[in-house]
Order: sequence, then structure tokens, then C-alpha cells
Amino acid sequence: QKEVEQDPGPLSVPEGAIVSLNCTYSNSAFQYFMWYRQYSRKGPELLMYTYSSGNKEDGRFTAQVDKSSKYISLFIRDSQPSDSATYLCAMSESNNNDMRFGAGTRLTVKP
Amino acid sequence: EPEVTQTPSHQVTQMGQEVILRCVPISNHLYFYWYRQILGQKVEFLVSFYNNEISEKSEIFDDQFSVERPDGSNFTLKIRSTKLEDSAMYFCASSEWATQETQYFGPGTRLLVL
Repeated sequence: QKEVEQDPGPLSVPEGAIVSLNCTYSNSAFQYFMWYRQYSRKGPELLMYTYSSGNKEDGRFTAQVDKSSKYISLFIRDSQPSDSATYLCAMSESNNNDMRFGAGTRLTVKP
Repeated sequence: EPEVTQTPSHQVTQMGQEVILRCVPISNHLYFYWYRQILGQKVEFLVSFYNNEISEKSEIFDDQFSVERPDGSNFTLKIRSTKLEDSAMYFCASSEWATQETQYFGPGTRLLVL
């Protein structure tokens, strides 16, 4: 089993839809979970950063971590065309060592 | 807003040649990183650098690679004797603290080895 798995999509939704992006992982030692957004020809930009299990909300974005299932999610409410990008999950065992990334899911939000 | 910059944006080189990828981290940041992303694959950590020395490196970062902070502003990745499989996007990142939460990524350098 790959250490971090993420469906690459592509995922296409209409404007205003709720988007659900997910990753699964195999390493039970992961405790720090990140979601990055990457626009074309740009570097990854940190969207959400969570520690251990639970939910975290920031505006239209909600990150969920279920360590018992080794499953993390990012929800985007009221999606906008400007949300069109590739979304990368990443995780690590501590908050200062190397991150393991998912393959990224390409999202398109159509007006 | 401060940002990490990288030059060149694109580089084409012949197999066996040496390349140097350059990064200018955010000015008050102390921790520096290189990542790579082979086309269609995951972002992979290469190396982290603090206080003028490597603090962590992955199994990818072998003797072919080296990093340097030659002056107070630049952070470079040197690839000696490039191989075809070194073709990738290389991202530099910097952070104020040694935590992922504060890492900012540059726009990347796309390296093509022919």
C-alpha cells in the first residue's frame, strides 16, 4: 500500500457546489496533516494545517482528520471558479520533519 | 507580500552537465528546503537546511546533489552530472520556524534533461 493515496481526478463541479477531497494513508505515526492548493505554474500554497484527529474550519474550507480510519478530507463550500487548482494533501510524523505528499487532485469549478 | 523567488523558471540541459538552481528565500526566514515533482508524480522532499548545514535529507538526495547558501540571500541546489530522470519541477521553500505550517514555496524551476 502506498504511504499516501489521493485520487488525482480530474474533478469538475458547478459553481456553488460543495467539494469533497480525500486522502488515505498507511503510516499510523502521521500526526500533522496539511492541505495545499497549487495553481498552474505556481508552487504549493498552504491552505489548512491540522494536528491529530478532528475538524478545522477556515472560511469556506473545512479539514477533517480521522486517524482511526487513516483518512483525511478537505471540504470546500460554495465553490468558486477561483478555487480551480490542484489540491495536495501532505502529512508528517512531527511538525518539523519531511512531509509525504499525495499525488494531488485537479479540481475545476465551472461558472 | 514577501515571497520566495526562483531562477531560472525553466532550464534545459544535456545529460551529464551540471546545473545550479537558485532560490531567494523570504528575508527573515532561517530554514530552507528543496522539493522536486516529477511530471505527473508526487511532490517529494529532498533536503532541509539550517544554520549553514543540512538538517535532514531524503534518500533521493544522494552525492549527485548539494546545497549551499553562498551569500546572505541565495540558496542553491546543484545537481552534478544530470541524468534523464532528474527532469522535474524543483521547488524551493523557506520558513521562519522549523515547522511545516510556516513554509512558503517558490514558483519552481522546471528542469529538462535531454
